[in-house]
Amino acid sequence: QQQVKQSPQSLIVQKGGISIINCAYENTAFDYFPWYQQFPGKGPALLIAIRPDVSEKKEGRFTISFNKSAKQFSLHIMDSQPGDSATYFCAASKGSSNTGKLIFGQGTTLQVKP
Amino acid sequence: NAGVMQNPRHLVRRRGQEARLRCSPMKGHSHVYWYRQLPEEGLKFMVYLQKENIIDESGMPKERFSAEFPKEGPSILRIQQVVRGDSAAYFCASSPQTGAGTQYFGPGTRLLVL
Repeated sequence: QQQVKQSPQSLIVQKGGISIINCAYENTAFDYFPWYQQFPGKGPALLIAIRPDVSEKKEGRFTISFNKSAKQFSLHIMDSQPGDSATYFCAASKGSSNTGKLIFGQGTTLQVKP
Repeated sequence: NAGVMQNPRHLVRRRGQEARLRCSPMKGHSHVYWYRQLPEEGLKFMVYLQKENIIDESGMPKERFSAEFPKEGPSILRIQQVVRGDSAAYFCASSPQTGAGTQYFGPGTRLLVL
């Protein structure tokens, strides 16, 4: 019930294309869903996050779509660039808890070809 | 404003030795989280601390692992009698608040056990 399942494991997209990464969760108590970007040898960096009171959030080329009834959320990267090549992690946490610990998906390695 | 700092960045230990990993949170942050990333896997929560208190250690192995966040100084993750399976990247994150707030990650410590 604490799991967050992420797919695909790896993704290859041409420059200018749309990258789509999906995540599904089980615990309906989760109420905070961030996406992190990680480059090799670096720590994860927060990209964008959403709470379940909205169905979509957009920041620049990055959009989160959230489907509360299906317990799914996805990251869309528009106009993908070679510099977007990295590993992306979705995560979830319970704001009502007193810890805020993040439960991470398994990660998606994105390669954007020039 | 400096980000989350971790040291050492790389640590090599032989089986049976002790490993000490340090984390200095961002200025003004009093909440620290430790996560472990095994090769080709996502990040797994280990422990959540506030100054002088362990709040949630549900992800910590029962033996050999301990963590502290003293009133003064960095947070320390200590692994006694390391084994090869402890080889991983250990990330620290800090947050200015508890609950589902933004967590800022450090660059990680890559531990290799020979």
